[in-house]
Amino acid sequence: DTAVSQTPKYLVTQMGNDKSIKCEQNLGHDTMYWYKQDSKKFLKIMFSYNNKELIINETVPNRFSPKSPDKAHLNLHINSLELGDSAVYFCASSQGGSRNEQFFGPGTRLTVL
Amino acid sequence: SQQGEEDPQALSIQEGENATMNCSYKTSINNLQWYRQNSGRGLVHLILIRSNEREKHSGRLRVTLDTSKKSSSLLITASRAADTASYFCATDTSGSARQLTFGSGTQLTVLP
Repeated sequence: DTAVSQTPKYLVTQMGNDKSIKCEQNLGHDTMYWYKQDSKKFLKIMFSYNNKELIINETVPNRFSPKSPDKAHLNLHINSLELGDSAVYFCASSQGGSRNEQFFGPGTRLTVL
Repeated sequence: SQQGEEDPQALSIQEGENATMNCSYKTSINNLQWYRQNSGRGLVHLILIRSNEREKHSGRLRVTLDTSKKSSSLLITASRAADTASYFCATDTSGSARQLTFGSGTQLTVLP
């Protein structure tokens, strides 16, 4: 009965490759997010989707492309991976409204060699 | 830009002691939330305090909010080794975008 799940948990790949991270939530939330957490644990919002529509797109290289096939899924595709992309990527979801508490997935640790 | 800054960056205490973490932010908020992150895990929501509230309790957690100083504190009473984690404040700013801005976190270590 996992609320927010991500796959894979670990991803090790070479520079220049293309990779995807998948996220699914079974909470019935209408908003989903991708965050990047760097080595100093600083957490930065990358994207947010509400009902499959992009509502937040922070300053992220266009090599990163989110895709939301339905309300329960928000996948992250990364093209031409660079060393600086190494980080932990978290998916999250929320129901929104006045509270906007977010539920996080377990994270995907991406290592680019 | 980073909205929240936690203080201290790291805190080490003995089991049974109280732990206090502070968060400062820069812009007006709808609410402020605290999250915990255990090593290698995702963040878990702990408590939310609205901008018109000054204090909130949940079990061993006590959160205060001072909007005039743009600061919040999280107090964990009677700490346990299992409380060892990173703690983040997150601000929910006014506006239609459902966005939280996270602080830099406090690493709490509770020694048995």
